[in-house]
Order: sequence, then structure tokens, then C-alpha cells
Amino acid sequence: NAGVTQTPKFQVLKTGQSMTLQCAQDMNHEYMSWYRQDPGMGLRLIHYSVGAGITDQGEVPNGYNVSRSTTEDFPLRLLSAAPSQTSVYFCASRRSGGGQETQYFGPGTRLLVL
Amino acid sequence: KNQVEQSPQSLIILEGKNCTLQCNYTVSPFSNLRWYKQDTGRGPVSLTIMTFSENTKSNGRYTATLDADTKQSSLHITASQLSDSASYICVVSAPGGTSYGKLTFGQGTILTVHP
Repeated sequence: NAGVTQTPKFQVLKTGQSMTLQCAQDMNHEYMSWYRQDPGMGLRLIHYSVGAGITDQGEVPNGYNVSRSTTEDFPLRLLSAAPSQTSVYFCASRRSGGGQETQYFGPGTRLLVL
Repeated sequence: KNQVEQSPQSLIILEGKNCTLQCNYTVSPFSNLRWYKQDTGRGPVSLTIMTFSENTKSNGRYTATLDADTKQSSLHITASQLSDSASYICVVSAPGGTSYGKLTFGQGTILTVHP
């Protein structure tokens, strides 16, 4: 199993550009999520999905869109990048259940918006 | 507002020594508490998960304790190794409407182990 994979590893954007961060998992997990990690702050939830075709907003959803057409993939779209979106982005997945399931994180995508 | 506070912010110890990291939280109601290890440039990796009814959980040289009454948890690392150098993150889960659970992440404690 590759686990949770993310591409690209690094990306530099100019303000106003759009891009898609890719996330895939091969563990057949129902739940997938996107977080951002900023210096001095804990990870914050952007969007999450509890299954194909079902997505919902997290704590900081503004400026981001997601879709979940398959169990394996959960891309994150930046519609018009802003410097405030400079961050490290992590995708995570886990099985559904009572809430004690282990959450697996991808290696992260480092994004710089100029 | 639910919060998770970790202390110290950073810690330097010598290889072979023990150390304890602290986590205080105000999340209520409470579902479970997790400790993660995050190596530099990598994603977090789960170390332990404890429900409110568990007092302690071990994973090799890592032992987490939980006092749900005082809303405190600690992560004890025994006989530290250079590979223990990482950020350790405390995460508290509250019951969520979609059963996903609302996770509140601490800022992390950066541990550096010197030879």
C-alpha cells in the first residue's frame, strides 16, 4: 500500500492563479480530509468527505473547493490564490467508525503564493 | 472556544534521557485524545489514541496518560533516541454531527534529542 499520496510536493503560485492539489489513498477509506498547517498554529480542517459524493466544510473553507467523485481521490482546488493561502497542506484519510480509527496523513504539499 | 494547549513549546534533551510532554484541553464533550509524531517535512503519524475511559496507552517507548477529570494528558518518552527528534502533537476529538468527529489540534512540542 502506498497509503496517502499528495502531489505536488512544492508549488509556487502568483496571486490570482488557480491550482489543484491532488490527494489519493489506496486503503479504501471512507473518510478523507484536508488540513493546512501554519507556523505557531495547530492543523486546521479545510474540508472533509465521509464518502464519494459527500463533502462538507471544515474550520477554514473560504477560498477552497473540493469534490469526491471516487473513494480514492479527494482533490483540493484553490480558485484564486492569495498570499494568505501560503501554507503546508496535508491530506488525511481513515476508515469510518466510532471515531477511534487511526487517521493517516499524506506527506504534505508546500504552497507559496507570491 | 475549544482549545488544546501544549507545553513546553520546545525541549532539548540528551540521547538516552526520558522526557514528558504536556497537553491541557478545554474540549467538552470529549470523545478521544490522540498523540501524533511529526518529523520535519513529513505528515503526522499516529502514536496513541485514548478514550475518556482509558488512563494510559503505550506504544513502544511512548506512553500516554490521560486524566479526563482535570483535562490533562501527557506523553512520556523513555530512553530517547536521535530519531525521536520531531514535533509531537496532541489532538482532542469531540463528537461530530456526521460521526467524523471535530478534531482540535494543539500547536505541538518540538523535541530535539542531542547525542
